Amino acid sequence: GAGVSQSPRYKVAKRGQDVALRCDPISGHVSLFWYQQALGQGPEFLTYFQNEAQLDKSGLPSDRFFAERPEGSVSTLKIQRTQQEDSAVYLCASSETAGGMRNIQYFGAGTRLSVL
Amino acid sequence: GQQVMQIPQYQHVQEGEDFTTYCNSSTTLSNIQWYKQRPGGHPVFLIQLVKSGEVKKQKRLTFQFGEAKKNSSLHITATQTTDVGTYFCAGRGFNKFYFGSGTKLNVKP
Repeated sequence: GAGVSQSPRYKVAKRGQDVALRCDPISGHVSLFWYQQALGQGPEFLTYFQNEAQLDKSGLPSDRFFAERPEGSVSTLKIQRTQQEDSAVYLCASSETAGGMRNIQYFGAGTRLSVL
Repeated sequence: GQQVMQIPQYQHVQEGEDFTTYCNSSTTLSNIQWYKQRPGGHPVFLIQLVKSGEVKKQKRLTFQFGEAKKNSSLHITATQTTDVGTYFCAGRGFNKFYFGSGTKLNVKP
């Protein structure tokens, strides 16, 4: 596709519900990042994939958060038993390679999650 | 852990005035990137700095990377209303980027 696509754009969940957020990166991009952005803050790193391998998940706040990229393309971020503190915008970014001069991150529009 | 601090948090300027935002890291960075996020939008890449002491210019924007690769700055000359938004630096660590908290720029016409 032309850019990084995220769905849904908005998600309202009741506390305790499970949610799944989808990211469709730019075709052929090796690296994929998930970030959490609270209101008025910078994006906070959650996890990083290089192709299908999850190389870093140190930013996931708890074991309720799980991410996968089984075929090295589309990725899903799943949050189980959502809590109010999970309310934020979840951003996905992809980049062409893992390093060097082509690791510019292209961000999707994000999914705004509101947990009631 | 590694942190990237960014100041100021907010800056209000009159159109035509200059603007600068500063980024400081607790550790040496392999590179640093700058992004702009318009209200309601997503971060958009502006530039990447890699070399110690590097200076890059994009029209009215000047980006610097410190000699020790721990700090960086973005300077906008003669701001315009189209410069409104939040500017983030992002320092590259191993397998991840550390974003600053951003500087929100408001430009009064």
